[in-house]
Amino acid sequence: QVQLQESGPGLVKPSQTLSLTCTVSGGSISSGGYYWSWIRQHPGKGLEWIGYIFYSGSTYYNPSLQSRVTISEGTSKNQFSLKMRSVTAADTAVYYCAAHDYGGAFDVWGQGTEVTVSS
Amino acid sequence: QSALTQPASVSGSPGQSITISCTGTSSDVGSYNLVSWYQQLPGKAPKLMIYEVNKRPSGVSNRFSGSKSGNTASLTISGLQAEDEADYYCCSYVGSSTFYVFGSGTKVTVL
Repeated sequence: QVQLQESGPGLVKPSQTLSLTCTVSGGSISSGGYYWSWIRQHPGKGLEWIGYIFYSGSTYYNPSLQSRVTISEGTSKNQFSLKMRSVTAADTAVYYCAAHDYGGAFDVWGQGTEVTVSS
Repeated sequence: QSALTQPASVSGSPGQSITISCTGTSSDVGSYNLVSWYQQLPGKAPKLMIYEVNKRPSGVSNRFSGSKSGNTASLTISGLQAEDEADYYCCSYVGSSTFYVFGSGTKVTVL
């Protein structure tokens, strides 16, 4: 059973880069069975898909965030990461990593990590 | 791509049935049978309840069912229980440029 765990700084300064890692256990990003996404939830608000990486290394992003976001494989085959550049207070949110099929059935979620952008 | 439209809140008494709507457009909900529904308890990650409009993952109660008509998808919870009190979100595949859009969310209250 695949499990996911997000990690990274809980506080990022404005204009800096937010960096998060998702560690996959019980499976491997390279197995090809899942797509691997980042999703965020602003305080008290709904969910927003950020982007995904597939085992082939291909990535796709939400057009509204594409210019600031990079998703890549981590240093080990069971990790993938999110980098979001030039953050502002509007990027304050809980960030989730999730595994899903192409149709968007997000059936495995991490517990989420809260990120605050503040000086 | 705008968020799919859901009612802000829906309530019902224990044992009743409630339905949550998720309205999109002919470019998203209306074009693909790829609507999923998520239950989010306070402080927790979302949980997949329905996928591909009306399919239930293993372990999800059959009190949860999904359907779609035109540009609107629906989640029905029958035999409402106190444990169903949560936020619910729909999600639709919207094509290979934007991929996925979520609904605005609905708070379900069990009276």
